[in-house]
Amino acid sequence: EAQVTQNPRYLITVTGKKLTVTCSQNMNHEYMSWYRQDPGLGLRQIYYSMNVEVTDKGDVPEGYKVSRKEKRNFPLILESPSPNQTSLYFCASSFSGLRSYEQYFGPGTRLTVT
Amino acid sequence: DAKTTQPPSMDCAEGRAANLPCNHSTISGNEYVYWYRQIHSQGPQYIIHGLKNNETNEMASLIITEDRKSSTLILPHATLRDTAVYYCIVRSPLMIYNQGGKLIFGQGTELSVKP
Repeated sequence: EAQVTQNPRYLITVTGKKLTVTCSQNMNHEYMSWYRQDPGLGLRQIYYSMNVEVTDKGDVPEGYKVSRKEKRNFPLILESPSPNQTSLYFCASSFSGLRSYEQYFGPGTRLTVT
Repeated sequence: DAKTTQPPSMDCAEGRAANLPCNHSTISGNEYVYWYRQIHSQGPQYIIHGLKNNETNEMASLIITEDRKSSTLILPHATLRDTAVYYCIVRSPLMIYNQGGKLIFGQGTELSVKP
């Protein structure tokens, strides 16, 4: 089954404790992206990757890091989480170019930073 | 990317057609209309997209006006499982023109399908 998986689905952590949210897709997609969703602000793009070893900032990259060492994986790293990073996070993937019309989203990771 | 305007909420009776409008009066020639939906805090789900012709797939139909300034997503026989927030998005399909494939989700239309 074609899917994007994220782990963990739920996470409660404390300020400053480094964490990684994993994202993996099994569709051989070139493009992957991270969004965060907050009430009243909608979904905002954090980082994206056009292919292996090619990443770039989205609209709200501060406090986050990403890497793309393999095509299927695109982890989101919070080196020193803060309470304002409490949010619902989604990973997405798609083909690039004209086949990019359908982006597949993961189930979401609900992060709480206390 | 062109801005879209959608009604904040709509109701629909189960089994009836749900018609969700979207206004995109500033759409440019190379921009497509995409529809996604999000069922309560789940990941958004692609529904359909189109350029200027009407489109239909197993989920829905998309009607785009001749001047392309507005469109309507039609769910022909709405079920309770179609209750969700529906997003109309206008963008170029080429990622180089939209900051790496970014989807700009507005506020969407919250569709409630009632028994």
